[in-house]
Amino acid sequence: AQRVTQPEKLLSVFKGAPVELKCNYSYSGSPELFWYVQYSRQRLQLLLRHISRESIKGFTADLNKGETSFHLKKPFAQEEDSAMYYCALKAGGFKTIFGAGTRLFVKA
Amino acid sequence: DGGITQSPKYLFRKEGQNVTLSCEQNLNHDAMYWYRQDPGQGLRLIYYSQIVNDFQKGDIAEGYSVSREKKESFPLTVTSAQKNPTAFYLCASTAGNQPQHFGDGTRLSIL
Repeated sequence: AQRVTQPEKLLSVFKGAPVELKCNYSYSGSPELFWYVQYSRQRLQLLLRHISRESIKGFTADLNKGETSFHLKKPFAQEEDSAMYYCALKAGGFKTIFGAGTRLFVKA
Repeated sequence: DGGITQSPKYLFRKEGQNVTLSCEQNLNHDAMYWYRQDPGQGLRLIYYSQIVNDFQKGDIAEGYSVSREKKESFPLTVTSAQKNPTAFYLCASTAGNQPQHFGDGTRLSIL
């Protein structure tokens, strides 16, 4: 079955601390993975995708096929990173499966 | 930025009433989607459409209906058969292997 699991509903860190939002997926084919972010009062938007292998706003995510994971990391969290983060799997064709989301709260 | 426009922003439904949520896009995308967003459950797919005049059920299609008569438009009707319609509804579109673009959403409540 195709599934995306984000084990943490809420993650709270202090400003300047490292942050890691976990994402595990289940898919038998070749996955295409994304992280989407929803800031307060803004629409859901793409943060990054694994095929780009780029760093956006200091965030990176590496696809680990052996562990079927796509964790989102940032070495030094900022208050403006506080948002809802969704991991998503494009499971062939046009269908995308989203995880339940993790709310990141960065404390001053 | 334009892209995807959802209306209305807030909608109220009476018991036994059908309501229609509008979604329009000017991105020339072939595929469009409707999601339901509930706290703690992420985004759940209601319906999606890959091309005009064609659509498929998602994971929670019961109590909902859609149409895709034009490429730009993908309205969602929440019927009286949907027993728990209170939620935030998101429309999205995409082309090819591109990531999805989302609208601002419609919040539906029951009177």
